[in-house]
Order: sequence, then structure tokens, then C-alpha cells
Amino acid sequence: GAGVSQSPRYKVAKRGQDVALRCDPISGHVSLFWYQQALGQGPEFLTYFQNEAQLDKSGLPSDRFFAERPEGSVSTLKIQRTQQEDSAVYLCASSFWGAYSNQPQHFGDGTRLSIL
Amino acid sequence: GESVGLHLPTLSVQEGDNSIINCAYSNSASDYFIWYKQESGKGPQFIIDIRSNMDKRQGQRVTVLLNKTVKHLSLQIAATQPGDSAVYFCAENNGNAGNMLTFGGGTRLMVKP
Repeated sequence: GAGVSQSPRYKVAKRGQDVALRCDPISGHVSLFWYQQALGQGPEFLTYFQNEAQLDKSGLPSDRFFAERPEGSVSTLKIQRTQQEDSAVYLCASSFWGAYSNQPQHFGDGTRLSIL
Repeated sequence: GESVGLHLPTLSVQEGDNSIINCAYSNSASDYFIWYKQESGKGPQFIIDIRSNMDKRQGQRVTVLLNKTVKHLSLQIAATQPGDSAVYFCAENNGNAGNMLTFGGGTRLMVKP
């Protein structure tokens, strides 16, 4: 498709389970971002990739969160030993250029994660 | 840390009127700003952006104004339509490598027919 694609759209997991969220960025986009959005709030930055390199992971809330983009295209956000506070919408965004470019980020529709 | 904020959490306008959504930012190093529209169950949709070397930028029915002196950003929507009903976020680039965006809490725009 033409836009950023995320899967699954909805994920329900029991506390303590591991989950993996997938992001397919717009083809050819160099930069990829993950954000977390709590209900009624704006998205909050988690991590950033330029091609396959993870250049910023300062927003990851704990070492249970891990992201990768091994071939510089598809990215996976993994959350280990999920907790109830991990319940949120996880958004992926991509942009064409890399750092310092000031290009708009284009978002997918997110994965809504619910931890029971 | 520094963040982007909004003055009005909810804005209700009559169809056909103009809408103005305001945003205050506090990071003087920010040099790029974006307005996004988010409908229920969907991701943020890019509306318009502006760089810090500009004061005003116009798109189709939308205008963004940037006042760096008072660190204020606004989105004007002309002839507001029911399809404009959504939550609007302003976001700023924090001036660091990677262009991560810092979002405000959002303003809900409700358009009355």
C-alpha cells in the first residue's frame, strides 16, 4: 500500500506475555519512528531508526521494550513480560529523509494493545 | 522536560465558520512544527507544516501561523466542515538529530451542522 501499515490492529495479551508489533513503512523512507499514545493524550516518542541503525531509544520506558529494523525496512517493536501500564496505542511513523531534514512524519493507524 | 501544550481542549464551531486552534510551545530550539488531525481509531494525519524561518504558511483551507516571539502556533481552518471534526495535535521538532516530535495533548474540534 501507499501508507504506513501496522499489524496487528488490535492485540490482547495477558500480563506477563511477550508481544511483537509490526510496522511496514512507506517504501523508500529512510527514517522510522515508534510512538506510544495513551488514551486522550498525544503520542510520545519511543525510538528512532535511520535505515537499520537505531539512533535514539531514549523514549523506551524500560528494558522490557525492544525495537529492531534489521534490513532497514520493516520494523518490529517487542514488549517482554507485559504489564497493564503497557496498554496503549503504538504508532509507527516514517519519513523520507534522515536526520536534520525536517520532513513530515507519516503515521500508520497503530496497534491498540490491551494487557489483561 | 519541555513540551508542546494547547490552550483549549475542546472547540465547538458551526459548519461554515472558521476555526482557530492554538498551541503554545516552550522549546526555543524547535525549528519545525507540524499540525496533525486524528480521527477516532486512526493514526495522526499530516495537515500542514512550517519551519521556524517562516511566519505563515497556507494550504487548502488551512493556514498555520507561527509567532516565535511568544512561542505560539495556530491552525486556522476556513469554512469548517463536518469532516473536519477530529482531534488536532501540534507537534514540534526538538532540534536534535532524528527529528523526534513532541506532541501536545490535543484539541477536539466539533463541527455542528
